Amino acid sequence: DAKTTQPTSMDCAEGRAANLPCNHSTISGNEYVYWYRQIHSQGPQYIIHGLKNNETNEMASLIITEDRKSSTLILPHATLRDTAVYYCIVRVGFGNEKLTFGTGTRLTIIP
Amino acid sequence: EAGVAQSPRYKIIEKRQSVAFWCNPISGHATLYWYQQILGQGPKLLIQFQNNGVVDDSQLPKDRFSAERLKGVDSTLKIQPAKLEDSAVYLCASSLQATLNYGYTFGSGTRLTVV
Repeated sequence: DAKTTQPTSMDCAEGRAANLPCNHSTISGNEYVYWYRQIHSQGPQYIIHGLKNNETNEMASLIITEDRKSSTLILPHATLRDTAVYYCIVRVGFGNEKLTFGTGTRLTIIP
Repeated sequence: EAGVAQSPRYKIIEKRQSVAFWCNPISGHATLYWYQQILGQGPKLLIQFQNNGVVDDSQLPKDRFSAERLKGVDSTLKIQPAKLEDSAVYLCASSLQATLNYGYTFGSGTRLTVV
């Protein structure tokens, strides 16, 4: 699996957009970008994934650069409940390859 | 749909004792995973099942850890004997299929403390 690089921690004001960056400069053409988050004392929760096009769902938007070497997860209107560790993961979307977690970004939403 | 159920929620044991964790995945999910999460780190995969067969157990310390998934439904993870460094949260996850266009659903985990 390609390595990802994320900032260790970030703060964001409540109500503002939270933009979480992820670098994956060695990503392969068949690897997807996945985002999960882990709220304190819970298991990780799937947020969104994409291959090369930008994606949006009810939780977040995923912006992938044209060269696919980096991406940004956007939480459009952050709330206190979005305080969590956010993991960016890249891997192929088929076969038995496992999800490999790094240390993620600890996002703190400030009231 | 009901989520992934895990029990117990917390467990404290002395080193060299044995412990078992139980996981009931989402109904119909063929793939089941056990992860270990040490404080301050991301989860690390221990073992992956496809139905009742093991797909990947390369990270499982087989001298002390064992896991089974009888009948391809619920699963147990056992540690015997436990060491201090086994203190961690043990997470179970399931997926409809191994392909990740079907997201993983995680349980809330079992927090193990070895003293």
